[in-house]
Amino acid sequence: DAKTTQPPSMDCAEGRAANLPCNHSTISGNEYVYWYRQIHSQGPQYIIHGLKNNETNEMASLIITEDRKSSTLILPHATLRDTAVYYCIVRVGESTDKLIFGTGTRLQVFP
Amino acid sequence: DAGVTQSPTHLIKTRGQQVTLRCSPKSGHDTVSWYQQALGQGPQFIFQYYEEEERQRGNFPDRFSGHQFPNYSSELNVNALLLGDSALYLCASSTPGQGYEQYFGPGTRLTVT
Repeated sequence: DAKTTQPPSMDCAEGRAANLPCNHSTISGNEYVYWYRQIHSQGPQYIIHGLKNNETNEMASLIITEDRKSSTLILPHATLRDTAVYYCIVRVGESTDKLIFGTGTRLQVFP
Repeated sequence: DAGVTQSPTHLIKTRGQQVTLRCSPKSGHDTVSWYQQALGQGPQFIFQYYEEEERQRGNFPDRFSGHQFPNYSSELNVNALLLGDSALYLCASSTPGQGYEQYFGPGTRLTVT
């Protein structure tokens, strides 16, 4: 079973920041938080991952709370192409281990 | 640099038949994982191949089997198809040292009638 809890859906206006929350209250010390997204009819795409520090890349920022029990994925300037299902996953290490997906958050970006 | 490719794109089979799906990993990747995604659900892990051996397996029956070839490409075989096997089958590739980022193919849409 997935070890994360996400809201089933969210809306965001184009150009605004999209903040997607994730709860992972049972996360272990050696587990990382990963985010993937799946645009309709495509395979999932890696976005970002982190252990305890906040992370930023060209796609998004990841904010992890100090107790590591929750995190937020931030898309700073959402576009219509960011409409997708976003999955938050916890996983041991930066390994090739399997990914356990939940049902994710369906983000709808509107004009 | 070719990404992960899968074939065929779509497939229709009859209950009881057998099916083989194919996956070519991203260049430089040696680990292939297979996932099943039912409509409206997140992908579910089936199994993973590394060095031509099954390394991890999810909660799927023995009707689901696989193979990895020396060139790292992989096949997923499903025997005695059931209506419930209708799904999108996704292949993902990765490699140790860069495993945090698994690259997914576009998937094969299997319909069992």
